[in-house]
Amino acid sequence: EVQLVESGGGLVKPGGSLRLSCTASGFTFSAHGMNWVRQTPEKGLEWISSITTTSAYIFYADSVKGRFTISRDNANNSLILQMNNLGVDDTAIYYCARGKGRGGLDVWGQGTMVTVSS
Amino acid sequence: DIQLTQSPSTLSKSVGDRVTITCRASQSISTWLAWYQQKPGKVPRLLIYKASTLENGVPSRFSGSGSGTEFTLTISSLQPDDSATYFCQQYDNYPLTFGGGTKVEIK
Repeated sequence: EVQLVESGGGLVKPGGSLRLSCTASGFTFSAHGMNWVRQTPEKGLEWISSITTTSAYIFYADSVKGRFTISRDNANNSLILQMNNLGVDDTAIYYCARGKGRGGLDVWGQGTMVTVSS
Repeated sequence: DIQLTQSPSTLSKSVGDRVTITCRASQSISTWLAWYQQKPGKVPRLLIYKASTLENGVPSRFSGSGSGTEFTLTISSLQPDDSATYFCQQYDNYPLTFGGGTKVEIK
């Protein structure tokens, strides 16, 4: 079964850090670009970051540039999002999602909740 | 950044009705548009990509059309299981962007 499982969410104080992980199974992880997308009731779905298959190209939303770092370990089928200097506006459900290859995001994890609050 | 504007934001239709949702892009994105369905408490599900290509396993009552700046998602005959929020997303350019969503309710 094709699956993405996120972990690492939780409650953190403003200015703190969190490291999200996404473990892939059931498909050739190294053959797909990967993405992080977050969602809140107020802002809806917001794309955060993308990484190509070999990590050659990485993209960030302006809202997280300089604070978040995306990386991947193809040997271990994992995607990472290192989040630093978190603010209350970063509170959201964070999803990892597989890129279909010029075809949208075709597999999503179940999401992990990140709450930034003092 | 490319802005996507969906309309309407909410609609209420009866089972069997035809439903049309519009997504307008602030600049041309060719056909690099996807549609997703999201039910409460669930993750988004890819329905359509490249504006009109149906994802595997998606019922044929769903269809997409359009190019450039105007796109449409159509449900030909609304079913109870279609009650959800629908989002469009462009992947022509970074940053990837999503529309604000259209909530479809069953009367």
